[in-house]
Amino acid sequence: AQKVTQAQTEISVVEKEDVTLDCVYETRDTTYYLFWYKQPPSGELVFLIRRNSFDEQNEISGRYSWNFQKSTSSFNFTITASQVVDSAVYFCALSERLSNTGKLIFGQGTTLQVKP
Amino acid sequence: DVKVTQSSRYLVKRTGEKVFLECVQDMDHENMFWYRQDPGLGLRLIYFSYDVKMKEKGDIPEGYSVSREKKERFSLILESASTNQTSMYLCASSPDRTVGQYFGPGTRLTVT
Repeated sequence: AQKVTQAQTEISVVEKEDVTLDCVYETRDTTYYLFWYKQPPSGELVFLIRRNSFDEQNEISGRYSWNFQKSTSSFNFTITASQVVDSAVYFCALSERLSNTGKLIFGQGTTLQVKP
Repeated sequence: DVKVTQSSRYLVKRTGEKVFLECVQDMDHENMFWYRQDPGLGLRLIYFSYDVKMKEKGDIPEGYSVSREKKERFSLILESASTNQTSMYLCASSPDRTVGQYFGPGTRLTVT
């Protein structure tokens, strides 16, 4: 069965610390897509990144970076030099197999609090 | 930019009322989704639709129904609202599995 696990329920850091949010997934598909979303206090989920299963290159976007490792079925997200505005709930998600509906399997989410 | 809008940000209804939550997307997406989000439970899929008039139950469809008469609009209906349906409701749309989903701002529903 497909599953996404975000073992960290809540993380609290002080501004300027680096923080890594873990995501582990399970799937039998050879072709799949992974996503990260950010949900700030306003409530709307904001898309951060998409990665397909054939592209294991790490990605960096400003202070954000993602480490995709098929060998460990992980897609971890690191924020460098965290800021108060990074405080949010972060969701990792996996596209459902055998479906082209865009249905996603979500992890439970990690609440990140960045203190000044 | 894809835009998904929801009819209300905040809504207060009484127990037993019929409640309509509306969602509209402007990018001609085939697929639309309704979730509810509760503390500690993450996002739970209520219903989704993959075409006009087509729908499928998600993980928690009990107490809800949906309507999709036009491609751009997907409505969630609470036939007789109950206090345990107090929650944040999120709508999303997607063209296919490669792209992911685009979310609306959410409706925080309180049933008293």
